[in-house]
Amino acid sequence: DTAVSQTPKYLVTQMGNDKSIKCEQNLGHDTMYWYKQDSKKFLKIMFSYNNKELIINETVPNRFSPKSPDKAHLNLHINSLELGDSAVYFCASSQNRRAAVISYNEQFFGPGTRLTVL
Amino acid sequence: RKEVEQDPGPFNVPEGATVAFNCTYSNSASQSFFWYRQDCRKEPKLLMSVYSSGNEDGRFTAQLNRASQYISLLIRDSKLSDSATYLCVVNSVDSSYKLIFGSGTRLLVRP
Repeated sequence: DTAVSQTPKYLVTQMGNDKSIKCEQNLGHDTMYWYKQDSKKFLKIMFSYNNKELIINETVPNRFSPKSPDKAHLNLHINSLELGDSAVYFCASSQNRRAAVISYNEQFFGPGTRLTVL
Repeated sequence: RKEVEQDPGPFNVPEGATVAFNCTYSNSASQSFFWYRQDCRKEPKLLMSVYSSGNEDGRFTAQLNRASQYISLLIRDSKLSDSATYLCVVNSVDSSYKLIFGSGTRLLVRP
């Protein structure tokens, strides 16, 4: 009954390789996200999709390409991996709701994928 | 200036102590605020939203001070299980979907 799941949990690979991380949510949420948490524990948004449409695309190298086949899945493909890509990547989902001008955006995170580039 | 700033800690307190964390945010137009908790090598989880009037959930109290642009989290009667990193989070004014995370304050509760 996992809410947000990611695979794989650990990924160790050589520089220059291409790899993918998969994410699925069974919460019925409309919006999904990819975050990167680096060695300093700073959690930063990379991408977000709402109903399969890209709505957030932060300054991320174009070696990173998200793909959302349906609103329950958001995958992340990384080309030509570099040492600096080593981090923990978290997927998240939310169902935004608004009350007047305030937006409530509780995000549920997956367990993370620890990527190590050698 | 970072959009969300927190003291990284660690705060090292004995069980039963009361501990408070502050967080400042740079954009005065920000509307939604949260505290997330992240255990070591785990994912962040929502601890509580922060409402304008302040709110309490058991041993946890969150306060918002818009004039000074800071958010606080007070934990009373600390338990060993409270040991974690507490992330201050602010909703971006650019997009209701975008959350901006602080780098976290680490709390260690000792027996």
